[in-house]
Amino acid sequence: DQQVKQNSPSLSVQEGRISILNCDYTNSMFDYFLWYKKYPAEGPTFLISISSIKDKNEDGRFTVFLNKSAKHLSLHIVPSQPGDSAVYFCAAKGNSGNTPLVFGKGTRLSVIA
Amino acid sequence: DAMVIQNPRYQVTQFGKPVTLSCSQTLNHNVMYWYQQKSSQAPKLLFHYYDKDFNNEADTPDNFQSRRPNTSFCFLDIRSPGLGDAAMYLCATSQGPWGQYFGPGTRLTVT
Repeated sequence: DQQVKQNSPSLSVQEGRISILNCDYTNSMFDYFLWYKKYPAEGPTFLISISSIKDKNEDGRFTVFLNKSAKHLSLHIVPSQPGDSAVYFCAAKGNSGNTPLVFGKGTRLSVIA
Repeated sequence: DAMVIQNPRYQVTQFGKPVTLSCSQTLNHNVMYWYQQKSSQAPKLLFHYYDKDFNNEADTPDNFQSRRPNTSFCFLDIRSPGLGDAAMYLCATSQGPWGQYFGPGTRLTVT
């Protein structure tokens, strides 16, 4: 039973264009969401996060949007660069104590020069 | 640089032969996690330590054990590895429940 779903296993985008990675969740108790980026043979690297009290968080080329009513979040990368090619994991957690992160299966982004 | 270190990066073990993976951190974070990740799958949490408190996920096999002798180190012991245990094992740390920092992982091969 997947609580965090990334329905697109892969995405290809032209360099300079916008990349949009989507994530859906089912647990209404989740209130903190993170995106991680993973290169081959490396561990996931934290990219950006958003709390449920916000609907948008921006950091440079990366913006995360949260739609709580739809239980949906998305990561926008603009402009996309070849170095952004990686697997992107969406993760979520609740706010009680030390509940761990729940990860999606990831989306492999390929940015084509 | 503060970081999460995993050794070895690649580990080959024989079917049924115990193996230990290690993780150390210089971040002085109070929480340490072990994840198993198989190809095209989400990282699966095996267990985590909140300070000295051990938290085992309900579906983590008994074959997997963990030790945290101090704040900096955490070990994953696989008592009798099976072919299905071949995976990437990721260690992560956090200060409290927020934002985890991952090590580079150890890729385990079982022959």
